[in-house]
Amino acid sequence: ETGVTQSPTHLIKTRGQQVTLRCSSQSGHNTVSWYQQALGQGPQFIFQYYREEENGRGNFPPRFSGLQFPNYSSELNVNALELDDSALYLCASSGQGRNTGELFFGEGSRLTVL
Amino acid sequence: TQLLEQSPQFLSIQEGENLTVYCNSSSVFSSLQWYRQEPGEGPVLLVTVVTGGEVKKLKRLTFQFGDARKDSSLHITAAQPGDTGLYLCAGLGGTSYGKLTFGQGTILTVHP
Repeated sequence: ETGVTQSPTHLIKTRGQQVTLRCSSQSGHNTVSWYQQALGQGPQFIFQYYREEENGRGNFPPRFSGLQFPNYSSELNVNALELDDSALYLCASSGQGRNTGELFFGEGSRLTVL
Repeated sequence: TQLLEQSPQFLSIQEGENLTVYCNSSSVFSSLQWYRQEPGEGPVLLVTVVTGGEVKKLKRLTFQFGDARKDSSLHITAAQPGDTGLYLCAGLGGTSYGKLTFGQGTILTVHP
């Protein structure tokens, strides 16, 4: 059974640039959630994708967008990067549809915005 | 907006000591989860509590969900250096599909 994998693991961008983060969900899971974890904080919910549609969104601006593909992998896109976007971005998959049961997290993508 | 307040934020103890981490909210959650996160890794689920008043034990870890389903605690007995890490509580609301509300975490350091 393959776990949740994320790429890239680390990246550095400058203000105003755009970034795409990728996530492969655990085998058999059809739901992917994205979280932002700032240093020293707990993760903050960005949004969830279920069967290729956004299914719930946290308090993040529209420049945070996402996609889910037919194989249930997902992308997180952030436009017009700001310094405060520096964080660990976590992807989590689950197999229980829209009502989240156990989430399986990837190791995260560490984004630094200079 | 549902918020979870976790305390203490930092905990530094000696091997063999006991400790308790608290997670409190003014909101009711349908379930509450506890995660452990190590540096460079994503959070790993330890337990899910669903019923008010529920107590679950996982070896030296005891988890309790408050009767009103607004608070929870994690108690570790005879802590070991391997328990060192970031402990996170996370609540799931009844109508918020897929959205876990996390506390800010407790950084636990257990010294040998």
